[in-house]
Amino acid sequence: EVQLVESGGGLVQPGRSLRLSCAASGFNFDDYGMHWVRQAPGKGLEWVSGISGNLGSVGYADSVKGRFTISRDHAKKSLFLQMNSLRPEDTAFYYCAKGGTGSLYFFDYWGQGTLVTVSS
Amino acid sequence: DIQMTQSPSTLSASVGDRVTITCRASQSITGWLAWYQQKPGKAPKLLIYEASTLESGVPSRFGGSGSGTEFTLTISSLQPDDFATYYCQQYKMYPTFGPGTKVDLK
Repeated sequence: EVQLVESGGGLVQPGRSLRLSCAASGFNFDDYGMHWVRQAPGKGLEWVSGISGNLGSVGYADSVKGRFTISRDHAKKSLFLQMNSLRPEDTAFYYCAKGGTGSLYFFDYWGQGTLVTVSS
Repeated sequence: DIQMTQSPSTLSASVGDRVTITCRASQSITGWLAWYQQKPGKAPKLLIYEASTLESGVPSRFGGSGSGTEFTLTISSLQPDDFATYYCQQYKMYPTFGPGTKVDLK
């Protein structure tokens, strides 16, 4: 059974940093792209960042480019999101999501989400 | 960026109704479109990918069609478990989602 478990969310002041983690199990982690998707409370979905399974190529939404960094640890089957220079508009539930087959950027499994609140 | 729109934003329906949601892309995405269902307090769930391929385990009352810039999600006979918000998402380029369609009880 595929499981994705996020951690690391919390309350942080504007301008500070936070690191999210996602522990994956139940599939061959090396073979799939992994992503972060966020959702502000009561709002829609926004793709944040993705990283491929093999070559480790990465992509970012314009809204986070230069501030967020995605990475993965194949040995620990974990995905990370380093978030710097946080802004109030980054407040959202952050979901870890597994990419579809063929390195396609749709998401067939999602974690339960972790809430990041950016406020003074 | 490819912009996605959905209509309607809210749909009121009864159990047993046939329900259709439309999704439009600002440019051609061929068939690179997925549909998700989300219930309050839960993560989204993949229903359909490549515009019309049903994800494993998803009931056959869900169906997807379309190509290019216009797509539809159809629920052939609405069930109590189907009241939720539905999102389309393109993946021809970096992913973008539609704003969602909430299906509620008439």
